[in-house]
Amino acid sequence: AQSVSQHNHHVILSEAASLELGCNYSYGGTVNLFWYVQYPGQHLQLLLKYFSGDPLVKGIKGFEAEFIKSKFSFNLRKPSVQWSDTAEYFCAASPARQLTFGSGTQLTVLP
Amino acid sequence: GAGVSQSPSNKVTEKGKDVELRCDPISGHTALYWYRQSLGQGLEFLIYFQGNSAPDKSGLPSDRFSAERTGGSVSTLTIQRTQQEDSAVYLCASSQGLVMNNEQFFGPGTRLTVL
Repeated sequence: AQSVSQHNHHVILSEAASLELGCNYSYGGTVNLFWYVQYPGQHLQLLLKYFSGDPLVKGIKGFEAEFIKSKFSFNLRKPSVQWSDTAEYFCAASPARQLTFGSGTQLTVLP
Repeated sequence: GAGVSQSPSNKVTEKGKDVELRCDPISGHTALYWYRQSLGQGLEFLIYFQGNSAPDKSGLPSDRFSAERTGGSVSTLTIQRTQQEDSAVYLCASSQGLVMNNEQFFGPGTRLTVL
């Protein structure tokens, strides 16, 4: 079955540490990829998206993600996290008309 | 303009009752989506509407679930004879077109608790 996998369920980091959250998808054809973030008590919002072109995508708040087609991966990175990055992060793919989401990764950044 | 709004924000109901959840998309957005977020799980697609086309109902988990979109704007998700496993946060999203090419904007969700 087509799916999106996020292998890290809960990540705990100290401020200024580097972040990498894994995301793998199982679709073989063309696919658009997204990272969404949900801060405590807030709506889901888009961090970044990949449709085509440069596989290194930059998003808001210093986040970036790299699309590696050969690995079916779209990992999210940030060189130095802040306490305000504490949130739940969702990877999503749209090979079809709707988004398929991963199960999410809860990031906790300790001050 | 305003973002996607949903009502009610919280709904507690008894098993077996019917519930209606409402979504007001961003004005001008032709596509509207419903998702369900259960505790500890990701978002599960339920149904989407695109313009005047027939909705894609492929994600609805059972025939107790239905949705309609009136006038190409407001949508209502109805769950009949609610069960405890229906307890979840129901999210609505809208986009200018199909999500393949457009960002989805999400509402705050309706938290449904079935006792």
